[in-house]
Amino acid sequence: EAQVTQNPRYLITVTGKKLTVTCSQNMNHEYMSWYRQDPGLGLRQIYYSMNVEVTDKGDVPEGYKVSRKEKRNFPLILESPSPNQTSLYFCASSFGVAGGQTQYFGPGTRLLVL
Amino acid sequence: QKEVEQNSGPLSVPEGAIASLNCTYSDRGSQSFFWYRQYSGKSPELIMSIYSNGDKEDGRFTAQLNKASQYVSLLIRDSQPSDSATYLCAVTVWGGGFKTIFGAGTRLFVKA
Repeated sequence: EAQVTQNPRYLITVTGKKLTVTCSQNMNHEYMSWYRQDPGLGLRQIYYSMNVEVTDKGDVPEGYKVSRKEKRNFPLILESPSPNQTSLYFCASSFGVAGGQTQYFGPGTRLLVL
Repeated sequence: QKEVEQNSGPLSVPEGAIASLNCTYSDRGSQSFFWYRQYSGKSPELIMSIYSNGDKEDGRFTAQLNKASQYVSLLIRDSQPSDSATYLCAVTVWGGGFKTIFGAGTRLFVKA
C-alpha cells in the first residue's frame, strides 16, 4: 500500500530533551516536506527537500533540523524542544519537484512539550 | 510575507445546497493551487488542483482560478453531510525550491 508513515504518533516530552520524528514514504517520491498545524494558523511549512541531500527552509524552520540521506526517509529533529513547539506535525511527499504535484500526507504526530 | 487567506467560517449549508469556499493569495508568482479536505483528527487529502485561469470540474467539485484577482474558489454541488470538514487552500511558490503555503482553512458544516 502506498503510504507515508510517521513515528511516533503521539509524544510527550520535556523541555530540552532531544527528539526525532521519523517520516518514511514508499512511493519513490522526490519531494518531501514537514508541516506543523496549530489552531487558527493552518499548516505551516517547516522544511522541505527536493531530493536526497537537498533541503531548504520553509516558513517556520527555527528550532528544527532535517536530513535527507535516503530518498524514502525525512526525519524531523528537535534538538532542544520548547513548549512553543507543542503542535500537530505532518510529513508529506509528492512525486515531482515542479510544485504542481499532489502532496500525500502522513497520519500526523501530536507532540506535547512540557 | 507570502500569505493565503481564507474565511475561517464556519460555513453552514443545508444538504443538497451549493457550498462556496473562497481563498485569496498575495504572491503573484504563485504557480499551482490546491484544495485539500481535512476531517477532524485526520490528515489533509487532495480534493482539487488547478494551474490555469478558469474552471476545473471533478464530479461535484469545481475549482475556479482567477490569477488577475489572485483568487481561487471551490464550489461543492449537492453538498452532503459527509462533506463536513475543514477545507484548506494551498499554493506553491518558487523560492529557490517550491514552497507550499496553506491558508488556515474554512470549516464547512452540511446540515442533514
